[in-house]
Amino acid sequence: AQSVAQPEDQVNVAEGNPLTVKCTYSVSGNPYLFWYVQYPNRGLQFLLKYITGDNLVKGSYGFEAEFNKSQTSFHLKKPSALVSDSALYFCAVSALGGYNKLIFGAGTRLAVHP
Amino acid sequence: DAGVTQSPTHLIKTRGQQVTLRCSPKSGHDTVSWYQQALGQGPQFIFQYYEEEERQRGNFPDRFSGHQFPNYSSELNVNALLLGDSALYLCASSFIQGNHEQYFGPGTRLTVT
Repeated sequence: AQSVAQPEDQVNVAEGNPLTVKCTYSVSGNPYLFWYVQYPNRGLQFLLKYITGDNLVKGSYGFEAEFNKSQTSFHLKKPSALVSDSALYFCAVSALGGYNKLIFGAGTRLAVHP
Repeated sequence: DAGVTQSPTHLIKTRGQQVTLRCSPKSGHDTVSWYQQALGQGPQFIFQYYEEEERQRGNFPDRFSGHQFPNYSSELNVNALLLGDSALYLCASSFIQGNHEQYFGPGTRLTVT
């Protein structure tokens, strides 16, 4: 069965510091991995995806993520956090492609302090 | 280019009632998926529609049903509402031959009292 784990309920970081939001997954076959961000009372906004190719994926708003097959991880990173990055972040996996169902983690709340 | 739209934005219903939520996909998209996001949780897959048929279904009871129309828009119906059905219902659209991205609408907040 497919599953996603986001081990941290909340991540706190000072503005200007690097941030990491962790994600590990379990899936049969090759994973398709995604990060989405959710602002209060809003839907999900796509940040980036890994389908195949380079393990370092660059996405929107300066975010990037590194796919590590041996550790089954797909951690979200940003070199310099902004207060406006404060939101709820979801990691998701799909086994057969993005048009198949997405399995989401429970989410990690990112709080960036001035 | 309009993104995914959902209506209504908010809805309050009483236990036992029925509700219909609506979704219009992003222009050019032909596949619609529905997700339920309970408070403090990640979205849970309900079902997906393509070519007016249900392609996949998550672990939700038959009280949850859907429909896709020829213009690719979709409806989610929930019968015999329970308090536990209170959640944000998200619609996501994608193109079956596309680049694996699903685009989400703003959601419908359903409150069951």
